[in-house]
Amino acid sequence: DTGVSQNPRHKITKRGQNVTFRCDPISEHNRLYWYRQTLGQGPEFLTYFQNEAQLEKSRLLSDRFSAERPKGSFSTLEIQRTEQGDSAMYLCASSLQGARGQPQHFGDGTRLSIL
Amino acid sequence: GDSVTQMEGPVTLSEEAFLTINCTYTATGYPSLFWYVQYPGEGLQLLLKATKADDKGSNKGFEATYRKETTSFHLEKGSVQVSDSAVYFCALSDPTGANSKLTFGKGITLSVRP
Repeated sequence: DTGVSQNPRHKITKRGQNVTFRCDPISEHNRLYWYRQTLGQGPEFLTYFQNEAQLEKSRLLSDRFSAERPKGSFSTLEIQRTEQGDSAMYLCASSLQGARGQPQHFGDGTRLSIL
Repeated sequence: GDSVTQMEGPVTLSEEAFLTINCTYTATGYPSLFWYVQYPGEGLQLLLKATKADDKGSNKGFEATYRKETTSFHLEKGSVQVSDSAVYFCALSDPTGANSKLTFGKGITLSVRP
């Protein structure tokens, strides 16, 4: 169990640029989740995948955001035309589908700063 | 919609003090409940969980009991250590049982002084 891996750890970019983050889940986990966390707040759900299918998207996920999990393994989260308000920590988590209360295992996150 | 409310922080305690961190929730069904901890510079880690009423989750000396009648899941520890200094998040999972999103509280920062 190597844990959930996220890259990059930090991303600094200018407003209006596109950014892409990668998440590698725990290998046997078929569910993958994206959350956003701003300073002083808890993580907020963005979207989740079961295998390669994107099953739920939050209202927070505007049309500038797109997430993919093409082969049911790693996932990418892209933000187009970044805005100041996109500055946050983006967290990825994975879990097994199964019994009630399956815990989600989180990566260390990607911190995005918009100049 | 579902929501989690945590007591306001931060909390500062002396080593070996008793800790209680309050958490209440609002959900339409019977969610699973979790406490996650975030140590400085690290990611979120599962601390403990409970999946049904009256269940008690425990780990590393921490305990929390799922109280359906008061919709609460308060975190307790009898004797805190400096190494417990971290941010603590209460969370619930989708009460439909589909194991999708987690809904988190705002978190509370605990500082334990020697």
